[in-house]
Amino acid sequence: EVQLLESGGGLVQPGGSLRLSCAASGFTFTSYAMSWVRQAPGKGLEWVSAIGGSGVSTYYTDSVKGRFTISRDISKNTLYLQMSGLRAEDTAVYHCAKYRYGYNEIDYWGQGTLVTVSS
Amino acid sequence: EIVMTQSPATLSVSPGERATLSCRASQSVSSNLAWYQLKPGQAARLLIYGASTRATGIPARFSGSGSGTEFTLTISSLQSEDFAVYYCQQYNNWPRTFGQGTKVEIK
Repeated sequence: EVQLLESGGGLVQPGGSLRLSCAASGFTFTSYAMSWVRQAPGKGLEWVSAIGGSGVSTYYTDSVKGRFTISRDISKNTLYLQMSGLRAEDTAVYHCAKYRYGYNEIDYWGQGTLVTVSS
Repeated sequence: EIVMTQSPATLSVSPGERATLSCRASQSVSSNLAWYQLKPGQAARLLIYGASTRATGIPARFSGSGSGTEFTLTISSLQSEDFAVYYCQQYNNWPRTFGQGTKVEIK
């Protein structure tokens, strides 16, 4: 059974940093691209970033480029999102997600971890 | 970036009735479109990919159609468990983008 368990969320001040983790199990971690998708309170889903199975290729939405870094540790089967320069508009539940094929559709989602950016 | 626009924002439907949800892309995404179902407190669920292929385990009452810029998700006979928010997402271009969602509520 595929499981994605996020952690690392919390309250952070504007301009601060936070690292999210996603522990993955139930599938061959290196065989699939992974992604982070967020949902701000009362808003819809927003794709944030993606990373290839080997960790070499990475992609970001424009609003987080230069501030967020996606990475993966294949020895720990863990996906990360390093966030810096956080802004109020980054407040959201961040979901870890696994792609079914390539970087196309997402077939498994985690429940998410809440990041709140506020002074 | 490609803007995905869903309509209506809210759809009120009685159980057993048909629901038709629309998704429009600001430019062609070919058939590179997926639909997801999201319920409060639950992980999102992939329903449709490739615009019209049902994901594993998805009931036949869910169907997708369209290509290019116009897409439709149809739920042929709404069951109680189908009341949720539905999102379309394109994966033809970077960045990947979602629609703003359609909430299907009980009439």
